[in-house]
Amino acid sequence: EIVLTQSPGTLSLSPGEGITLSCRASQSVYSNIAWYQQKPGQAPRLLIYDASNRATGIPARFSGGGSGTDFTLTISSLEPEDFAVYYCQQGNRWPLTFGGGTKVEIK
Amino acid sequence: EVQLVESGGGLVQPGESLRLSCAASGFTFSSYEMNWVRQAPGKGLEWISNSSSSGSSIYYADSVKGRFTTSRDNAKNSLYLQMNSLRAEDTAVYYCARTYYSASGSRLLYFDHWGQGTLVTVSS
Repeated sequence: EIVLTQSPGTLSLSPGEGITLSCRASQSVYSNIAWYQQKPGQAPRLLIYDASNRATGIPARFSGGGSGTDFTLTISSLEPEDFAVYYCQQGNRWPLTFGGGTKVEIK
Repeated sequence: EVQLVESGGGLVQPGESLRLSCAASGFTFSSYEMNWVRQAPGKGLEWISNSSSSGSSIYYADSVKGRFTTSRDNAKNSLYLQMNSLRAEDTAVYYCARTYYSASGSRLLYFDHWGQGTLVTVSS
């Protein structure tokens, strides 16, 4: 099973700041990584697929990068609605696995 | 508009069974792989099952293999999760989620639409 490790666990930031979240895979997943955003009481929302492609309707302030085992999600300037938990997920092999999440909270 | 609506959750005792349903609308259900993903209270996401578009091929996470069975009825646009021998650690919100297909039609093992989830609580 491919283990995804996300860091940091929690980030405290102010609106307008930029942020980069990290996701590291226990073995290469090539570019088969997605990022999701989840707000309290809601289902996750797909943000990024195949490491760097924005899903439909996702604002340009969200960008993804990386390949192999190291991946990043960058939010260029935090909007109030961006405070949430972010998960990475690998779609390279079964079983599909998620990282433990990074919580982005308002400072 | 794509809609996925789960139902069937509730409180059950350890060892009991429960069947979840996911009603799909707004897309051609029979053309899409579907998944079950769960989230224990206050915890992260765990993929547990994938069904091919026809239902002939099913994958499971080790944590549920042999206890849970996924099936689908394409005529009813519905996905099901039969959960047997339930344990306390199965307590979670269960989501059905659609597999993502790129604009070129390639199947990518991500989830582009999710239901609102249904809560399963296993407790004596």
